[in-house]
Amino acid sequence: AQTVTQSQPEMSVQEAETVTLSCTYDTSESNYYLFWYKQPPSRQMILVIRQEAYKQQNATENRFSVNFQKAAKSFSLKISDSQLGDTAMYFCAFMNRYYSGGGADGLTFGKGTHLIIQP
Amino acid sequence: EAGVTQSPTHLIKTRGQQVTLRCSPISGHTSVYWYQQALGLGLQFLLWYDEGEERNRGNFPPRFSGRQFPNYSSELNVNALELEDSALYLCASSLLYEQYFGPGTRLTVT
Repeated sequence: AQTVTQSQPEMSVQEAETVTLSCTYDTSESNYYLFWYKQPPSRQMILVIRQEAYKQQNATENRFSVNFQKAAKSFSLKISDSQLGDTAMYFCAFMNRYYSGGGADGLTFGKGTHLIIQP
Repeated sequence: EAGVTQSPTHLIKTRGQQVTLRCSPISGHTSVYWYQQALGLGLQFLLWYDEGEERNRGNFPPRFSGRQFPNYSSELNVNALELEDSALYLCASSLLYEQYFGPGTRLTVT
């Protein structure tokens, strides 16, 4: 079974600063995906960024980027030029990929990091 | 493009009752996933449906069940409700491996 650990229950930074959220995971699988999701107070889960395990290049989406260290099983999220709208719970998630039938399995989530952006 | 929709938004039930939650996936998505987000327990995977079949389930008792219809919409049924079933139930849909979530159904069991 997979486990995902987010060691920072809460973080607070000033607007425009850069912040890094940590995530480590444990798996014996070699083919998987990693994701960061954002859940604002409105509770709608929003996909922020994804990383395929077989890709060495770190994923980037505008102000969001990841540092994927496969050997260390680490997957941190960096948010640059943080904005007030970035205030939310951030969840790191893991997914196995099944080749035989296609598609992918359910997500395993970390406990989340509550990120607060201060004006 | 319309996102994942869920109904109802909120629900209050009494212990021992049964409840049905509904989910409509993004058009073209064939997989539907259900998750439970309970206070103190975090987000837990419940069920995965793809092409009308249950593909996998999380560590939940059999009183949690569901189905997927030919139009790929899905229902989650919970029988014999217990107080600890109070949670936000999230549905997600996917075509390949990215899962997109709906707004959730807040279930309160009293």
